[in-house]
Amino acid sequence: SQTIHQWPATLVQPVGSPLSLECTVEGTSNPNLYWYRQAAGRGLQLLFYSVGIGQISSEVPQNLSASRPQDRQFILSSKKLLLSDSGFYLCAWTLVEGGYTFGSGTRLTVV
Amino acid sequence: DAKTTQPPSMDCAEGRAANLPCNHSTISGNEYVYWYRQIHSQGPQYIIHGLKNNETNEMASLIITEDRKSSTLILPHATLRDTAVYYCIVRPQGFNKFYFGSGTKLNVKP
Repeated sequence: SQTIHQWPATLVQPVGSPLSLECTVEGTSNPNLYWYRQAAGRGLQLLFYSVGIGQISSEVPQNLSASRPQDRQFILSSKKLLLSDSGFYLCAWTLVEGGYTFGSGTRLTVV
Repeated sequence: DAKTTQPPSMDCAEGRAANLPCNHSTISGNEYVYWYRQIHSQGPQYIIHGLKNNETNEMASLIITEDRKSSTLILPHATLRDTAVYYCIVRPQGFNKFYFGSGTKLNVKP
């Protein structure tokens, strides 16, 4: 069966520090991968999606970047975090047809 | 951009059916209707989806109007654990992305 792993579960980082969040999927090949962010009390905002290795589409210009070095690995990064980067970050995968499966999320607090 | 409209909140008594409406008046012929829910501090969970016909699974039923401009998610016997934000999403066939709107906060009360 397919599973999605996302870590860490919580993270507290100072302003100006780098960020790396990792997401891996097991049990499927060539999934579409997604990063979403949810600010406190708000809806989910699509940040990046990828349909294959090295293929990244950005939805919202911002202080973040994404990479897909392997078929089932998706990484969200920042060189210098801002206070506004705080939020709940969710990774998700899907095949071409079908619904999303979300990871358990990373709650990032930038202090 | 979300193409759906949902009420911001609804209450339901435990054990009763919860009927969550969604308006998608601009839906196209190849767009599916998906429902997800998000329990506090967790990732969204897939519930059900449909194109034209009504659908039912172990979690819920989806009723889509004949003109497809609206739908209703039905939780037949709501429990306290069904308290969550419910998102209705339209997604074109073969389209890669989901855009989430604000959803409906369902409060199931004892």
